[in-house]
Amino acid sequence: GAVVSQHPSWVICKSGTSVKIECRSLDFQATTMFWYRQFPKQSLMLMATSNEGSKATYEQGVEKDKFLINHASLTLSTLTVTSAHPEDSSFYICSARAGSSSYEQYFGPGTRLTVT
Amino acid sequence: AQKITQTQPGMFVQEKEAVTLDCTYDTSDPSYGLFWYKQPSSGEMIFLIYQGSYDQQNATEGRYSLNFQKARKSANLVISASQLGDSAMYFCAMREGGTGGFKTIFGAGTRLFVKA
Repeated sequence: GAVVSQHPSWVICKSGTSVKIECRSLDFQATTMFWYRQFPKQSLMLMATSNEGSKATYEQGVEKDKFLINHASLTLSTLTVTSAHPEDSSFYICSARAGSSSYEQYFGPGTRLTVT
Repeated sequence: AQKITQTQPGMFVQEKEAVTLDCTYDTSDPSYGLFWYKQPSSGEMIFLIYQGSYDQQNATEGRYSLNFQKARKSANLVISASQLGDSAMYFCAMREGGTGGFKTIFGAGTRLFVKA
């Protein structure tokens, strides 16, 4: 199957700083990428959908100015958590799909963010 | 409104026995896809099985089968011959067609414990 990587796999940052998480599709071109967050023992919550070259579409309740998403190429999407606070600590998972007609959606291994 | 419902927060099964994990969904879109993912403690999302809304037959993938009852809007996962390595969190997910923006949303999950 296709491979999606995330970097870093875990990060600790101080409150008030910004953190960038990268998501890469290694062996396919991802026209669409999704960002999810998952709190401990909870489900994945979709944050936003991004299509290459266009602005991300955020789900209701997700602050677009806090969670900046850039999908500059067909193999790379980034999520920047700006002015992070302890409540932003979570597991962030990206997912990529080759096309809207493709049912296959590939997930990255996730990034664990801890804000102190 | 909850679109994916998994009513079993936790399930126990004896090794080598079969287990059914329940999932019901809600959509008015005639075109949708249903998925099951496994999430072990490492956090990675592992794709297990897919069922399209127009598929006539229930999907099967090795020891996994999806009991698709369209009229009841249920998509239960059946794992046959359980193994200790099957212990993990299992998520049911749905992707709606155009009206749903091709987004994949997840249920709350069921934690499966396989006993030796």
